[in-house]
Amino acid sequence: DGGITQSPKYLFRKEGQNVTLSCEQNLNHDAMYWYRQDPGQGLRLIYYSQIVNDFQKGDIAEGYSVSREKKESFPLTVTSAQKNPTAFYLCASSKSANTGTSGGAYEQFFGPGTRLTVL
Amino acid sequence: SQQGEEDPQALSIQEGENATMNCSYKTSINNLQWYRQNSGRGLVHLILIRSNEREKHSGRLRVTLDTSKKSSSLLITASRAADTASYFCARTYSGSARQLTFGSGTQLTVLP
Repeated sequence: DGGITQSPKYLFRKEGQNVTLSCEQNLNHDAMYWYRQDPGQGLRLIYYSQIVNDFQKGDIAEGYSVSREKKESFPLTVTSAQKNPTAFYLCASSKSANTGTSGGAYEQFFGPGTRLTVL
Repeated sequence: SQQGEEDPQALSIQEGENATMNCSYKTSINNLQWYRQNSGRGLVHLILIRSNEREKHSGRLRVTLDTSKKSSSLLITASRAADTASYFCARTYSGSARQLTFGSGTQLTVLP
């Protein structure tokens, strides 16, 4: 059963703590993404990775870090430097982050999300 | 900013009616995609339309693209209560194929 999973579903963090959100995919996709969604808003890109051992900053990377040691996994760490981390975090994957024959980005497959709350 | 606009922000209709949502953008795109999000869940891809296409259909969904007006619309025909969700358009811009840029979405409520 192919798909993309995120854990945990809910996460609570005390101020000053780092927390790591898990994202795993078995779709054999090269590209993976992390988005942040605030209430009533669209998605904003935090980081993306086109290939193992490579990742790029998105629009709101400050206070976050990622790693891509395996094709299947793209964990996101929310550091204490992120001043307003309470949000819904979505991970996604796609065949590639490069231009496909369709002209432009491939469709992205999303995980179920992790809701992070700072106590 | 390459952020576009989606309107309306919220739409409430009766079951069986059609729902139309619009998306506008500011710079040339490579393609445009529509996604659906049920409350508190991940997004699900609905349709991708390329910049050289004008219309695409998928079941009860119809997407149009007008590159001269830099706008797209999503039409859901014969709506059902289960169509209640947020709908987002996401653009891939020319020269920036690496990512999708999402709008703020339209919250659709279909009343039984």
